[in-house]
Amino acid sequence: AQTVTQSQPEMSVQEAETVTLSCTYDTSENNYYLFWYKQPPSRQMILVIRQEAYKQQNATENRFSVNFQKAAKSFSLKISDSQLGDTAMYFCAQGEAGNTPLVFGKGTRLSVIA
Amino acid sequence: DAGVIQSPRHEVTEMGQEVTLRCKPISGHDYLFWYRQTMMRGLELLIYFNNNVPIDDSGMPEDRFSAKMPNASFSTLKIQPSEPRDSAVYFCASSLARAGNEQFFGPGTRLTVL
Repeated sequence: AQTVTQSQPEMSVQEAETVTLSCTYDTSENNYYLFWYKQPPSRQMILVIRQEAYKQQNATENRFSVNFQKAAKSFSLKISDSQLGDTAMYFCAQGEAGNTPLVFGKGTRLSVIA
Repeated sequence: DAGVIQSPRHEVTEMGQEVTLRCKPISGHDYLFWYRQTMMRGLELLIYFNNNVPIDDSGMPEDRFSAKMPNASFSTLKIQPSEPRDSAVYFCASSLARAGNEQFFGPGTRLTVL
């Protein structure tokens, strides 16, 4: 069965600094997708970044980048130049190929401090 | 595109009452997912559809829960009778088969059962 683990329930970072959120997962599949979603107080789930397992290159989206280590089943999110608007819950999620449901971690609550 | 639309945004009801949550997926998307979010269990899948057909309902807690998708643009999740432990945020998400499992979430319905 798929599992996703986020070991950091809460983190904080100073504005303009860099922070890394950790995620590990377990799957028996070779073809799958990994995602980071952001959930601000509005509770809307917003896709931050995605990674296809077959791609070796780490995905980047502006200030957000991932460190994907397939052998270690690790998928961390790095936020550079943190902004107050980055304050939110961050969820790591994994889905198999073929539009299967996503399995989510428990989330990391990130606070960006001015 | 308007994104995934859910209604109502908030629902407060009394134990024993019937509750119906509604979802309109993004036009053209062929997968629809219902998730539930609670503090204790996090985000978990309830049921998902492909081309209006239920594929996996193993996450539906019990017979009090039912879901339908009568057409490609509408789905309902019904709880009858409702219980206090059903209090949660219910999310609907949709995805496109060829888009690599990227799911787009609605704003969620916060359900409170008194």
